[in-house]
Formats: sequence, C-alpha cells, structure tokens
Amino acid sequence: GAVVSQHPSRVICKSGTSVKIECRSLDFQATTMFWYRQFPKQSLMLMATSNEGSKATYEQGVEKDKFLINHASLTLSTLTVTSAHPEDSSFYICSASRLSSGNTIYFGEGSWLTVV
Amino acid sequence: TQLLEQSPQFLSIQEGENLTVYCNSSSVFSSLQWYRQEPGEGPVLLVTVVTGGEVKKLKRLTFQFGDARKDSSLHITAAQPGDTGLYLCAGAGGGADGLTFGKGTHLIIQP
Repeated sequence: GAVVSQHPSRVICKSGTSVKIECRSLDFQATTMFWYRQFPKQSLMLMATSNEGSKATYEQGVEKDKFLINHASLTLSTLTVTSAHPEDSSFYICSASRLSSGNTIYFGEGSWLTVV
Repeated sequence: TQLLEQSPQFLSIQEGENLTVYCNSSSVFSSLQWYRQEPGEGPVLLVTVVTGGEVKKLKRLTFQFGDARKDSSLHITAAQPGDTGLYLCAGAGGGADGLTFGKGTHLIIQP
C-alpha cells in the first residue's frame, strides 16, 4: 500500500488565488521530504527539499515566495502555490525518505494543478 | 551538479521483444533506484541497487548496477503491453539529500 499520500489529487483554481497541496508520510517519520514538478512526457524536476522544523532549500530558478513550503511535523509537508498563474498548471509530486528502508525514497500519487 | 544520462528516451517495440534501458553518469552514487510511472500517477519504486556489480531480478526485469556504481541498466525480457510506461532511474548519494533523476524512458509495448 501507499506509504506517502498526497492531497488533493486534482485541483482547479482561478488565476491569482493560492492553492495548498499536502504530502503525508503514512507510517513513518520523514525529516526530509522533496517536492517535484513534472511536465507532460518529461522527467521529474526537483523544486525544493523540505526539512522538518527549518526552511526549505529551493533549487535554482524556483521562486521561494511563490512556492511556499512548510514542513511543520515529521509526517506532513505542504506546498502552497501563491498567486497562481496558468503557467503554474502542472503535475506536482512529493516524496519522502524512509530511513527504515535504507533511505529509500517513496513518492506520493501526485497532484494535478490546473489554473484557469 | 550530478547528471544521470538515461537512454533511450523513447522506445516503441512489439510484444515479446527484449529491450534494455541505460543510465550513465560520471558521478558515483551510493545507490540507484528504478521507478515506473504511469500517466497521472506518482512513480512507483521497482528496485534499489546498492552494491557495485549487483544484479537484481524482478520477474522479467533484470537490473544491474555497474561495478563502479556510476551506471545501471534495466533489461526487460519478452516485453508485455502492461510494461508500457515511463521508466525513471534515480541516483542517491554524493552529498545530496535527494535523488538525481534521469530524463526517463517512455516505453510503449505494442500488442
């Protein structure tokens, strides 16, 4: 069964609004979670590394004020897309590292964001 | 910056044929993971290889980690339409917390 869960799986929002995506590790604590963006028929692009209790580390070119990441607990990280634009429409995926499985990284189911 | 070159990027073959996907890097990874992703879903872990030279089999899929832990291959025997999907290799280690992904291989198995 799934060990990392994302919610919502699909969301449609209006331009200019904000939308929050949740990523939960279901049966393990994850001090580190990762957020990716994926365009159609392309590989995953790492956006940021989310560390519990501290600020996220953003990859070059990713606007930290636009993509707000909060990792307030060991089982939950959230990605908030602020002032969304149609070009933010994409598939967003989170992952978490499971220490008990030799640091194997498990992915959530992904969240489709459509900004209209 | 670590790079992981994955090839081929696209492959369309007939059911029953064999195929190999390659991931190559100039960097050494502590482990390498292979994922399969279907449209609209998150990647699903197939295997993790850790030891140089390691070979793991998963039914018709054979995964190999290079002796120097810089490259890996995925070989599928007698491909089935159900094998269709995006295959991703990802390397871990080298000082980074996360994974370095290859660009993926879009595999289509035609009946």
